[in-house]
Amino acid sequence: ETGVTQSPTHLIKTRGQQVTLRCSSQSGHNTVSWYQQALGQGPQFIFQYYREEENGRGNFPPRFSGLQFPNYSSELNVNALELDDSALYLCASSSTGMKTQYFGPGTRLLVL
Amino acid sequence: QQQVKQSPQSLIVQKGGISIINCAYENTAFDYFPWYQQFPGKGPALLIAIRPDVSEKKEGRFTISFNKSAKQFSLHIMDSQPGDSATYFCAASKGNTDKLIFGTGTRLQVFP
Repeated sequence: ETGVTQSPTHLIKTRGQQVTLRCSSQSGHNTVSWYQQALGQGPQFIFQYYREEENGRGNFPPRFSGLQFPNYSSELNVNALELDDSALYLCASSSTGMKTQYFGPGTRLLVL
Repeated sequence: QQQVKQSPQSLIVQKGGISIINCAYENTAFDYFPWYQQFPGKGPALLIAIRPDVSEKKEGRFTISFNKSAKQFSLHIMDSQPGDSATYFCAASKGNTDKLIFGTGTRLQVFP
């Protein structure tokens, strides 16, 4: 059974640029959630995707957007990057009706 | 608004001792309470989880104690080992969105 994978592992961008992060869900899981974890903090929920549609969103501006594909993989897009967007971005997958979320290793984003 | 409060922020325990981390929540609609373990540079890994109809759950050296009336739950790590040194997060979720609300984390250090 393949776990949750994310790419890239690290990324450096400059303020104002756009970034796309990718996530492959665990085998058999149809729901993907994205979280932002600032240094020394707990993860913060960005949004969740189910059946290729957004299914819940946290307190993040519209410049954070996402996609889910028919194979349940997902992308997180962030436009107009700000310095405060520097964080570890985590993807978690789960299955309908099952509460447990399994996290990937994350993508470390640094905005200069 | 911090919906899940976690304490202590850091904890130092001797090998073989008991580590205790506490969390309190505000929203009585929460129906799922997991604990995650995170090593530096890695994504959170699920340790153990509990639902509010159970007062205690044990898996190996890890035990969750749940007090519904006090809106508190805690993680006990018995016979703590140096390999347990990590950051621990409590979390809570409700309903079908499965949005996890995380605590602020506890950095545990176990010394030989």
